[in-house]
Amino acid sequence: SQELEQSPQSLIVQEGKNLTINCTSSKTLYGLYWYKQKYGEGLIFLMMLQKGGEEKSHEKITAKLDEKKQQSSLHITASQPSHAGIYLCGADVGDSNYQLIWGAGTKLIIKP
Amino acid sequence: EPEVTQTPSHQVTQMGQEVILRCVPISNHLYFYWYRQILGQKVEFLVSFYNNEISEKSEIFDDQFSVERPDGSNFTLKIRSTKLEDSAMYFCASRVSYNEQFFGPGTRLTVL
Repeated sequence: SQELEQSPQSLIVQEGKNLTINCTSSKTLYGLYWYKQKYGEGLIFLMMLQKGGEEKSHEKITAKLDEKKQQSSLHITASQPSHAGIYLCGADVGDSNYQLIWGAGTKLIIKP
Repeated sequence: EPEVTQTPSHQVTQMGQEVILRCVPISNHLYFYWYRQILGQKVEFLVSFYNNEISEKSEIFDDQFSVERPDGSNFTLKIRSTKLEDSAMYFCASRVSYNEQFFGPGTRLTVL
C-alpha cells in the first residue's frame, strides 16, 4: 500500500531555534499538503505544493517540494511556543479520485 | 472565502445507534470525501464520491457506512449501528478536480 513517511516522529526544540520536518513518498507527489493540528482538534491548513522545486512561505514557516517530487520539507525559523502542535503531511499521489494519503504526524514541542 | 462546513461539531451517541454526519462542500466542487482520524492516529481515507456515486472506498468503509448527496448541497455520512471503535474525528473534504482539496473543521464522534 502507498505510504507517506514523516520524520521525525517527535521533536523537542528550544524556543528560538530552527527546525525541519520531512515527508517522504515512494511515489510521485502530485500535491503535498501541510497541516497543523492540536491534539484532538481540526486541521489547520498551512500550505500546498504542487510543482517540483516549489517553495512557499508563510510567516516563519517555509515548505518545499523537491525537484523529483517525492519529498517535502517544512522548515520553521526562530520557533515560538505558538508553533507547538502536530504537523501532518497529506499527499495526492495520482489516484484517479484524488484522495489524499497521510503521514503519521510529527509532534513538535517548544521548550521555553 | 468559500469553505467546507460540517455539523455537528461534536456528536455523542450510544453504541448501536445510527448517526448522520453532515457536510456542505464548496458549491462548484465535484469530488467529495470523508476521512476519519481516531484520536492519536493517522488520518484515514474512508470514501470518495463523484457524479452522484461512490468512486472509491477504503476497507474501513464497510456495510455500516453509507454516503449520500440528498439535495445537491449537503453530503452526508451515515453510520447505521455505531461501535465504540467508530469514535473519531470525521473530516469532510471537497475539490474541483486536481486542484486543492479543502477540508471542513471536522465532527468529533464519541460512541459510549
